[in-house]
Amino acid sequence: RKEVEQDPGPFNVPEGATVAFNCTYSNSASQSFFWYRQDCRKEPKLLMSVYSSGNEDGRFTAQLNRASQYISLLIRDSKLSDSATYLCVVNMEENYGQNFVFGPGTRLSVLP
Amino acid sequence: GAVVSQHPSWVICKSGTSVKIECRSLDFQATTMFWYRQFPKQSLMLMATSNEGSKATYEQGVEKDKFLINHASLTLSTLTVTSAHPEDSSFYICSARQGRNQPQHFGDGTRLSIL
Repeated sequence: RKEVEQDPGPFNVPEGATVAFNCTYSNSASQSFFWYRQDCRKEPKLLMSVYSSGNEDGRFTAQLNRASQYISLLIRDSKLSDSATYLCVVNMEENYGQNFVFGPGTRLSVLP
Repeated sequence: GAVVSQHPSWVICKSGTSVKIECRSLDFQATTMFWYRQFPKQSLMLMATSNEGSKATYEQGVEKDKFLINHASLTLSTLTVTSAHPEDSSFYICSARQGRNQPQHFGDGTRLSIL
């Protein structure tokens, strides 16, 4: 089983739609979680950290479910500018040999 | 805050040339910096983890003599691709973080093309 898994998509949604991405991770001792977005041919940019109680930033809501070992990202009222690849990032324990693990990314296309 | 600068953005050079890429944290001290490589339509691949003042930790399959990493200060890490060949052409991205559970902040990336 891969350490961090995401549905690669692509998710093609119309403007204004609500879309949700899930990400699962294998190490139950993982400590911190993040969502990044990466535009084509650009570097990843931090979108938001994910806290145990869930957190919201404008149209974006992140949730963490430690029992089931998954995190989610919900985007409401999608904009054309939301089109990007969304990367789930899990900070795993040091003894796994790799601290920060990136998922393969989920591609989102918001259509006019 | 948390700005990471990477230089150069683009490099085009002949096969056999060595190429040096710099990664700087501009407004924070980075205890750890990371070097990634990304091929088109693929995920980021971690190449090595660099801690200030110590040797870099390379991921399996990454040649340490080919990809030399120096992390001489808390704000600067360099990656040198030695004797680059066309198969080394890729998008190289660095990132930096302040502490262990802090998010990574990425540089703009360096697009390397070896002819």
